[in-house]
Parts: sequence; structure tokens; C-alpha cells
Amino acid sequence: EAGVAQSPRYKIIEKRQSVAFWCNPISGHATLYWYQQILGQGPKLLIQFQNNGVVDDSQLPKDRFSAERLKGVDSTLKIQPAKLEDSAVYLCASSLASGGVLSSTDTQYFGPGTRLTVL
Amino acid sequence: QKEVEQDPGPLSVPEGAIVSLNCTYSNSAFQYFMWYRQYSRKGPELLMYTYSSGNKEDGRFTAQVDKSSKYISLFIRDSQPSDSATYLCAMRNPGGSYIPTFGRGTSLIVHP
Repeated sequence: EAGVAQSPRYKIIEKRQSVAFWCNPISGHATLYWYQQILGQGPKLLIQFQNNGVVDDSQLPKDRFSAERLKGVDSTLKIQPAKLEDSAVYLCASSLASGGVLSSTDTQYFGPGTRLTVL
Repeated sequence: QKEVEQDPGPLSVPEGAIVSLNCTYSNSAFQYFMWYRQYSRKGPELLMYTYSSGNKEDGRFTAQVDKSSKYISLFIRDSQPSDSATYLCAMRNPGGSYIPTFGRGTSLIVHP
């Protein structure tokens, strides 16, 4: 079974530039998550999708971050414009979580992440 | 006070040692407790998953939960250099969305 794919793996940009990250979840996984992991910290949820609908985006800085999952499969996360404090690893994860009912034993599978450096 | 506290380490041990990794938490509503392992430049992978209090064993790994003390532990027996990674604890409520609250992770180094 193929895992969660993310690209690019690394990105270096200057502040105020724009950047986009792509995620392809495990086939058949209805739920997709984007996390931000700052160096030395645990992952923090940015947004959760169930199929192509947003379940939770309460911690997404909506003035600069946006995300979409148009066909319920792949997803993109965009930052525009980037700030220095956006330097982090952006992790995508997926889980089965079908039918809108989340199993208590559902497992999130993480991709390798995109390491963003904002100069 | 953060909801989940975890010492970042690093924790350096010789090969074969028993390793103890710990987290404390403040939210008494947490019922599900998880341990993730994260290798350098990789995403976290789920190691152990326990519900409420008690112990759970899987090979060389044992997870313990003490809800009365709001304290969870992961023990690694016969540690190997391949166990060198960052170990993240995570926990969540029984209801609502399946979004765990993560600790900051403990860096473990097992040297030959």
C-alpha cells in the first residue's frame, strides 16, 4: 500500500512570497489533515477535510493560509504572503474515517512533510 | 500550562538499555493516549495506542497510562540504535473530531 505523498520535500522562499504544497493521501482515505510542525514542537492541526468538505479550520490563519481538496482526493495548502514565522515542516496525514463517523481506533498516516524555510 | 508536557531531551542511552519516556497532561477529559515515533526528515508513525488507564505491550514496547496522576509512559526494552528517533506522545477526547493534542517530543539517541 502506497503511503501519503507530499511535494515538494523542501522549499526556500523569501518573506512576502507565495508557496504551495501538494498532498496525495492513501487511496480510499476520506479524511485528510494538514499539520504545521515548528522545530522542537509537536504537530499542530491547521485544517481537516472529510472528503472535499472542511471539518475543522479553526487554527488556520485564514488571512494568509488557504487549502482546498476539490475532488475529495488530492489537496493543496497555500501560503500567501509568507512570514518568517511560517518556517516549519508542513505535514499531511490521512485516515479512513468514512461516513462522517470517526472510529475511536482510526489511525492517521503521515506523509514525509515539506520543510519550508522563509528568509 | 500547556495541555501536554514532554521533556524534549535529548536522552542518550547505550544499546540494550531500558528507556523510559514520559508525558504529563492537564485535561482530565483525555481518554485515548498514543505514542508516535518520528525519524529525522520523516512524518510521525503510530507506535502504540491505549484507551483509558492500564498497560499495553507490543514486542519491546510497553505503554502505561495513569489517569489519576495524568501521567503516561512508554518503555522500550533492549533498546537498539534503530530506535533513535523523536518520540511524540499524543492524546484526545473520546468524542468530537479525531484531532490529538501532541507533546513536543523527546529525542532519543541509542548509541552502540
